[in-house]
Amino acid sequence: DADVTQTPRNRITKTGKRIMLECSQTKGHDRMYWYRQDPGLGLRLIYYSFDVKDINKGEISDGYSVSRQAQAKFSLSLESAIPNQTALYFCATSETGAKNIQYFGAGTRLSVL
Amino acid sequence: KNQVEQSPQSLIILEGKNCTLQCNYTVSPFSNLRWYKQDTGRGPVSLTIMTFSENTKSNGRYTATLDADTKQSSLHITASQLSDSASYICVVRDSNYQLIWGAGTKLIIKP
Repeated sequence: DADVTQTPRNRITKTGKRIMLECSQTKGHDRMYWYRQDPGLGLRLIYYSFDVKDINKGEISDGYSVSRQAQAKFSLSLESAIPNQTALYFCATSETGAKNIQYFGAGTRLSVL
Repeated sequence: KNQVEQSPQSLIILEGKNCTLQCNYTVSPFSNLRWYKQDTGRGPVSLTIMTFSENTKSNGRYTATLDADTKQSSLHITASQLSDSASYICVVRDSNYQLIWGAGTKLIIKP
């Protein structure tokens, strides 16, 4: 089984709909992250959480919200999806420490029509 | 503005050949520099991490170099295999522990 699992893998939705992307991990890491990836651009950080009670906005948090339900679960919500939120979304986890290698899920491909 | 730029955008080489991918960054000061491999349809996987005091690091057929003075890094792949076909992403961690991601180089290995 994958250490970092994202569901769903693919989702097509309509403008204005509420969408939730889920992430769970079995690595036992405290830190979790949500990124989006667009063609020709580097990954951009949406939100990150250093533990269950610590949630922080990233570079592009507008239009998104998150919930850290447990150490192992971190979900991303789009309250009212819009077409420019069409992208590939990745969840990642890491240990604490200077090198904190990030471990990624397989991604969720979201299309907003 | 902190930036990470990679070249070339894409590269096609024959199986068995070597190649070198480039990364230039403007992040200063920086904490460390990473190379990730991203297979199509998958999340990125870490290949190497180097601090400013390290100028080379190897992981099998992958060798990363770092010149902190010129703010350049390269990833050299030796004796390429079909499984090396992927995007390779350079990532720099700044002094505030934020990661700045490059757009990646798409590498295609042809038999």
